[in-house]
Amino acid sequence: AQSVTQLGSHVSVSEGALVLLRCNYSSSVPPYLFWYVQYPNQGLQLLLKYTSAATLVKGINGFEAEFKKSETSFHLTKPSAHMSDAAEYFCAVSDQGSGYALNFGKGTSLLVTP
Amino acid sequence: EAGVTQFPSHSVIEKGQTVTLRCDPISGHDNLYWYRRVMGKEIKFLLHFVKESKQDESGMPNNRFLAERTGGTYSTLKVQPAELEDSGVYFCASSRLAGGVTGELFFGEGSRLTVL
Repeated sequence: AQSVTQLGSHVSVSEGALVLLRCNYSSSVPPYLFWYVQYPNQGLQLLLKYTSAATLVKGINGFEAEFKKSETSFHLTKPSAHMSDAAEYFCAVSDQGSGYALNFGKGTSLLVTP
Repeated sequence: EAGVTQFPSHSVIEKGQTVTLRCDPISGHDNLYWYRRVMGKEIKFLLHFVKESKQDESGMPNNRFLAERTGGTYSTLKVQPAELEDSGVYFCASSRLAGGVTGELFFGEGSRLTVL
């Protein structure tokens, strides 16, 4: 089964600094990869997805992620953090062996400090 | 357009009691999913409905969990009898197409279950 590992359960950055949230995947077939975000008291919202088209994927709110097969990574980045980016971020992979159910990582809480 | 709604938002019950969680998907979404997040762990897939049929229930923990989707509209997830390890946040999601392919799952805010 495909799986993802998120490195770092908590990440803290200063406002205006680069945001880098790490995700590595394990898959024996070309994966479909996703980043979701959960703001406080809200449901999960799709940020961006990779489905074997362009390796650099742009999402909402200025986020982007790059699929690197050689590193089995799909890290999420944003050049300049805003206070409103504080949330929990989840990397997920689509499990083609299980009806395409999403397998999520443990999540990374992003704290943005003034 | 209304999003995915879940009820209750928070439920506190004692071990051995029964709880029923409800999910109303976005209108017109044939695919409905249940996920669960136990504190500190990953969000885990429970099951997938296509209309009223269970497409995949491989993630259901045991037979204390029963999910239904009457008429292919709203869905319920019943836990009977509840155990301490059932505590967590139960998420419902819906999609028009098979969400795992497109990633376009629309999630509700979750139902937080606390079993004492």
